[in-house]
Amino acid sequence: EVQLSESGGGLVQPGGSLRLSCAASGFTFSSYAMSWVRQAPGKGLEWVSGIGGGGSSTFSADSVKGRFTISRDNSKNTLYLQMSSLRAEDTAVYYCAKAGGYNYDYEIDYWGQGTLVTVSS
Amino acid sequence: EIVLTQSPGTLSLSPGERATLSCRASQSVTSSYLAWYQQKPGQAPRLLIYGASSRATGIPDNFSGSGSGTDFTLTISRLEPEDFAVYYCQQYGSSPLTFGGGTKVEIK
Repeated sequence: EVQLSESGGGLVQPGGSLRLSCAASGFTFSSYAMSWVRQAPGKGLEWVSGIGGGGSSTFSADSVKGRFTISRDNSKNTLYLQMSSLRAEDTAVYYCAKAGGYNYDYEIDYWGQGTLVTVSS
Repeated sequence: EIVLTQSPGTLSLSPGERATLSCRASQSVTSSYLAWYQQKPGQAPRLLIYGASSRATGIPDNFSGSGSGTDFTLTISRLEPEDFAVYYCQQYGSSPLTFGGGTKVEIK
């Protein structure tokens, strides 16, 4: 059974940093691309960043480029999102999401339960 | 960036009725790499349809997807009580991946 478990969310001040983690199990982690998708309170879904199965190819939304970095440790079956220069508009539930294949151009077939990031003073 | 526009924003229907949800792309979606997700309050989204028309594992056949190019449709042939939720389309053919704004299907 595929399981994705996010951690690392919480309250952070504007301009601060936070690192999210996602522990994956139930599948061959290195064979699948992964993404982070966020959802602001009461709003729709926004794709944030994606990374290929090998970890060398990464993609990010313009809204987070230069501030967020996605990475993965295939030896630990863990996905990360390093977030810096956080803004109030980054407040959202952040979902860890598994793609249906090795590259980014696959549907998201499994989602974690999400971790809430609140940016506020 | 491909912008996805979903309509209507809200669909008010009764159980047993047919629901037709639209997703229009600002440019052609590569290889029909279009997915539909269902999200209920307090839950993560769930994959329903991928490749515009293929049902995901475990999804009942009253859900169907169609379309190509820039116009896509999700049809729920007969609404069950558990189908009232928010539905999102997403294109994954080009980066950045993008989602539509969602259609809420509510009980009339």
